[in-house]
Amino acid sequence: EIVLTQSPATLSLSPGERATLSCRASQSVSNYLAWYQQKPGQAPRLLIYDASNRATGIPARFSGSGSGTDFTLTISSLEPEDFAVYHCQQRSSWPLSFGGGTKVEIK
Amino acid sequence: EVQLLESGGGLVQPGGSLRLSCTTSGFTFRNYAMSWVRQAPGKGLEWVSSIWSSGDTTYYADSVKGRFTISRDNSKNTLSLQMNSLRADDTAVYYCAKIEFGDYGAFDIWGQGTMVTVSS
Repeated sequence: EIVLTQSPATLSLSPGERATLSCRASQSVSNYLAWYQQKPGQAPRLLIYDASNRATGIPARFSGSGSGTDFTLTISSLEPEDFAVYHCQQRSSWPLSFGGGTKVEIK
Repeated sequence: EVQLLESGGGLVQPGGSLRLSCTTSGFTFRNYAMSWVRQAPGKGLEWVSSIWSSGDTTYYADSVKGRFTISRDNSKNTLSLQMNSLRADDTAVYYCAKIEFGDYGAFDIWGQGTMVTVSS
């Protein structure tokens, strides 16, 4: 089973700042990693698939990078609506797995 | 517009059963794998089960294997999750999710979720 570890658990930033979120896999997942955004009381929303591809309708300020075991989600300049919890997920092998999440909060 | 709508959640006693349904619209259901993902209160996301587009291949998390059964009716565009021998740690919001590229890919569309509470 592949374990995904996200860091930091919480990121305190101000609007306009750059956010860098990390997701580390316990073994290689190639580029089969996705990122999701979740706001309170809402379902997750797909942001990035296959490590670096933005999903339909996702703004260009969201970008993903990495391969193998180390991945990064970057939000270039935080908008007020970006404060949320972000989850990574691997589809390289069964069972599928998610990271524990990173909360991006307003400083 | 692609839509997923879960139903069937509620309060059930430990050891009881519940059947969740996910009604879909706006896409060719029979062409896509589907999954269930759950989220316990205040916790992260946990993948539960997936079923391929044809329905002939299924996968389960170890935590639910032997107790939950995923199925689909491609004629009714509906996904189901039969949950038996429920335990307190099955308490969660259950989401159905569509796989983006046929039988492979990320979860590109999610339902709003249905709450399952297992308690005496």
